[in-house]
Amino acid sequence: GAVVSQHPSRVICKSGTSVKIECRSLDFQATTMFWYRQFPKQSLMLMATSNEGSKATYEQGVEKDKFLINHASLTLSTLTVTSAHPEDSSFYICSATQSSGANVLTFGAGSRLTVL
Amino acid sequence: QQPVQSPQAVILREGEDAVINCSSSKALYSVHWYRQKHGEAPVFLMILLKGGEQKGHEKISASFNEKKQQSSLYLTASQLSYSGTYFCASQETDSWGKLQFGAGTQVVVTP
Repeated sequence: GAVVSQHPSRVICKSGTSVKIECRSLDFQATTMFWYRQFPKQSLMLMATSNEGSKATYEQGVEKDKFLINHASLTLSTLTVTSAHPEDSSFYICSATQSSGANVLTFGAGSRLTVL
Repeated sequence: QQPVQSPQAVILREGEDAVINCSSSKALYSVHWYRQKHGEAPVFLMILLKGGEQKGHEKISASFNEKKQQSSLYLTASQLSYSGTYFCASQETDSWGKLQFGAGTQVVVTP
């Protein structure tokens, strides 16, 4: 089956630094990847849609300059949290789809970011 | 728009049944169901595409009503492994994969 690898699984950083999270589709090409954010005991909130070779589409209320998304290849999308602050601490999850139609989303294992 | 999910939580004894509901104010292209264990990513259970469709995954099944605005997930003869938070996710447009997740239903199955 389709596998999505997300790295790192946990990261702790100091306030003001930037953190990059990678999302890779291991055995399929993902033209589209999605980034979600999840606060403790809450639902997943869609942050942005990442399309290979083009700019990401951000959901309302998500700062594009704060959360930089790059989808440079068909198997890799990255999310960079710039100038991180404690309120950015969260569980970030990516998902990928192989193609349009009756297919499913495959989720990465998630990355837990803690900003001190 | 986030789908409305109910109940917020349910506690079951092993072998009991439960129903989780998910509703939207508009017709949907599809409804997805996921289960998430604490600290882990959501795991896909099933997708429903057509009004009137029903699907099953082991003893977990789901339906999607004819108007495609409501879905229900049925946990039958629950097992301890069924514990977790269940999310429905709705696809409101033809933009495949762009899902809005419900608030989740925490299910606890006790021995």
